Amino acid sequence: GENVEQHPSTLSVQEGDSAVIKCTYSDSASNYFPWYKQELGKGPQLIIDIRSNVGEKKDQRIAVTLNKTAKHFSLHITETQPEDSAVYFCAASKWRQNFVFGPGTRLSVLP
Amino acid sequence: GAGVSQSPSNKVTEKGKDVELRCDPISGHTALYWYRQSLGQGLEFLIYFQGNSAPDKSGLPSDRFSAERTGGSVSTLTIQRTQQEDSAVYLCASSLVGGSQETQYFGPGTRLLVL
Repeated sequence: GENVEQHPSTLSVQEGDSAVIKCTYSDSASNYFPWYKQELGKGPQLIIDIRSNVGEKKDQRIAVTLNKTAKHFSLHITETQPEDSAVYFCAASKWRQNFVFGPGTRLSVLP
Repeated sequence: GAGVSQSPSNKVTEKGKDVELRCDPISGHTALYWYRQSLGQGLEFLIYFQGNSAPDKSGLPSDRFSAERTGGSVSTLTIQRTQQEDSAVYLCASSLVGGSQETQYFGPGTRLLVL
């Protein structure tokens, strides 16, 4: 079955700097890759997703890139702000298969 | 519009007791998912409902775990004879249609502590 790895497990950046989180997946048939943000005491919330027919997607300060050949995808957050501090999860799925989540990255944005 | 709600928000129980966790999905969402999140860990898939049926129960860790969904809405996750290793946050999510590759909307979770 699918296996998703995520790095780093923790990441600290200065406010205003960029943050990059990387995930790899094992099943070449996976074709949908969402990213979720989880704040303390809350459930995860979708922030951006990408399908395998595109290589990059951007939404304001957040972007995701996908390399199907290498089977990895990355989340990029630019101009980080303290409210970006949270745990971020990547996931991979294919049609009619449930999400397989990565172990998460704890991002701390230092003022 | 209300989001996904879960109750109780916190539950402390003694080893060996049964617990019931409740999930109210977003109105009109036909798909419902249960996940378990241990401290500092990722999300572990437990079970998926499409309407009232569960086409995928593959994630239930043992026969002490069961779930049902009635009226295509509320779902209950039951853990019988709880063990300390069951301590975790249990998250519920719903999506509009199901079949994967849709946004899943998560509730705030139930924090279960088994003493």
